[in-house]
Amino acid sequence: GAVVSQHPSRVICKSGTSVKIECRSLDFQATTMFWYRQFPKQSLMLMATSNEGSKATYEQGVEKDKFLINHASLTLSTLTVTSAHPEDSSFYICSATQGDQETQYFGPGTRLLVL
Amino acid sequence: AQSVTQLGSHVSVSEGALVLLRCNYSSSVPPYLFWYVQYPNQGLQLLLKYTTGATLVKGINGFEAEFKKSETSFHLTKPSAHMSDAAEYFCAVSDKTGGFKTIFGAGTRLFVKA
Repeated sequence: GAVVSQHPSRVICKSGTSVKIECRSLDFQATTMFWYRQFPKQSLMLMATSNEGSKATYEQGVEKDKFLINHASLTLSTLTVTSAHPEDSSFYICSATQGDQETQYFGPGTRLLVL
Repeated sequence: AQSVTQLGSHVSVSEGALVLLRCNYSSSVPPYLFWYVQYPNQGLQLLLKYTTGATLVKGINGFEAEFKKSETSFHLTKPSAHMSDAAEYFCAVSDKTGGFKTIFGAGTRLFVKA
């Protein structure tokens, strides 16, 4: 149980385009979802926390207009990288928690490459 | 504010040897502590976690960790390394008051030599 999926697993796009990444909890209702980015050989950096039906809370230094997060249902959150640039190339990972639980279940990640 | 320090960005052990990955944390409230493993180009898999109760926590794949409040440590150990243990390991801390917002350490790459 507690499986989180991400789609796509890998995406290559041109500079200036927008890319949408989906994060789904497959067998549970995720009250909270988290979005992280991970640069090569580095740790995970929390970008934002999203709760179903409310606006995401962004970490300091993360541009909310560039990284649009929508948590429309208890099983789906999306991250849209708008007007992507090469420096946005990274590994994006989502995670989800169930109810008042401390354990995060992580998705497999999405590799974004902006040319 | 919470923080996590993992001592040693790289650790190399021989197959069959003891694995010890060090983690120290800082938290103003009782912490929840986690160890995750990440294989290349994959997400994170939970190895074990400490929330409350017994301070020695056993996880998957033969790993265990001990919460030592006096030392603010949560070191990860495994008695005998296996080749398949080679991966990146992350220590992390969160707490309930922070909505389970999780702070990760920088990671430790474990190499296992034949």
